[in-house]
Amino acid sequence: EADIYQTPRYLVIGTGKKITLECSQTMGHDKMYWYQQDPGMELHLIHYSYGVNSTEKGDLSSESTVSRIRTEHFPLTLESARPSHTSQYLCASSELGGRTEAFFGQGTRLTVV
Amino acid sequence: DAKTTQPPSMDCAEGRAANLPCNHSTISGNEYVYWYRQIHSQGPQYIIHGLKNNETNEMASLIITEDRKSSTLILPHATLRDTAVYYCIVRVDETSGSRLTFGEGTQLTVNP
Repeated sequence: EADIYQTPRYLVIGTGKKITLECSQTMGHDKMYWYQQDPGMELHLIHYSYGVNSTEKGDLSSESTVSRIRTEHFPLTLESARPSHTSQYLCASSELGGRTEAFFGQGTRLTVV
Repeated sequence: DAKTTQPPSMDCAEGRAANLPCNHSTISGNEYVYWYRQIHSQGPQYIIHGLKNNETNEMASLIITEDRKSSTLILPHATLRDTAVYYCIVRVDETSGSRLTFGEGTQLTVNP
């Protein structure tokens, strides 16, 4: 059973607002990821982390930022939301080592109006 | 990580086996083949992975060719709930270095 949680599930917010999408996991995983996915499109990796104080940019450029102060938390922040940020954001975690599966949260569907 | 190629869509009759192919002709010796699926817009779900031997679990079987340049995911008795996008991913067995990136996947539709 996957123990990775994202909040909120849905968020509608006005342009210019600062938002933070939460992601928490209770599996003690070192690696965590953020993906962005538009409807019917593929997942794009935007951020990942190898552990505490580690953050890396993914394959798709994003105006969001992330932090990893604690192993279990990997929040994503948008300082000033814009309609172009409207998308679904998915968080995942895995153990270090390639022979392990990744577990995904249910996602946050963000709409910026 | 090696690139993979999958057909964009496939159909399967309910109760029949669904065979989803994946080409990974540039795969390296230390790269594993992973399969995930995504139902609607939920988070992807891990299915199975393997290196060179065929693998089976409660969800599916994975057949990897001897030269490892292609593989097939088999759902032995597809149900309507198996309708999803299936992703084939090749990933190095790393401690910290590689990302987990997804391609376009195959949209499998299981028909009644």
